[in-house]
Amino acid sequence: DAGVIQSPRHEVTEMGQEVTLRCKPISGHNSLFWYRQTMMRGLELLIYFNNNVPIDDSGMPEDRFSAKMPNASFSTLKIQPSEPRDSAVYFCASSSSQGPTEAFFGQGTRLTVV
Amino acid sequence: RKEVEQDPGPFNVPEGATVAFNCTYSNSASQSFFWYRQDCRKEPKLLMSVYSSGNEDGRFTAQLNRASQYISLLIRDSKLSDSATYLCVVNIDTGGFKTIFGAGTRLFVKA
Repeated sequence: DAGVIQSPRHEVTEMGQEVTLRCKPISGHNSLFWYRQTMMRGLELLIYFNNNVPIDDSGMPEDRFSAKMPNASFSTLKIQPSEPRDSAVYFCASSSSQGPTEAFFGQGTRLTVV
Repeated sequence: RKEVEQDPGPFNVPEGATVAFNCTYSNSASQSFFWYRQDCRKEPKLLMSVYSSGNEDGRFTAQLNRASQYISLLIRDSKLSDSATYLCVVNIDTGGFKTIFGAGTRLFVKA
């Protein structure tokens, strides 16, 4: 049974470049979350979707960040232009509002902006 | 004020010790509660759900106090393999569920 799948696992890019992170949630889950984790700030919720609709994007740090969920099986988080302070591990998680509501995480994308 | 607050630690304990972690949450619309475990350079994984009546899973006991908006995790007879970061998690009902994580408490169990 496939879990949450994120790609790429690692990304190194130069400042100013566009970065796109991808996520495939668990089939049947209707909520999807994007988190960013750093040593200084811990695990921060950036945005979450319910039934493919963005519900709360108050955690998105600034307009350089955008997220989409065009269908139930795919989501992207885009940073344009990227900056060194965006370096972090970005996690995608999914959950179901039916039955157990715990979130299941992907393995994360480690982003380094140089 | 953060929605979920935890003592970051670290907690350094010897093998066999009992250790307790506490967590407070601020949103009264919080519906469900969990403890997650995160190992270094890995993703968080569910450790256990937390119920109002309290629940136990082997050496782990979780408690919830809705009136005080307080959650706890007790680890008995700690093992070296328990060394990790423990994250307190709250689901807030906003139509869907908004899942908020505390910053985590680091535990080091020493031989």
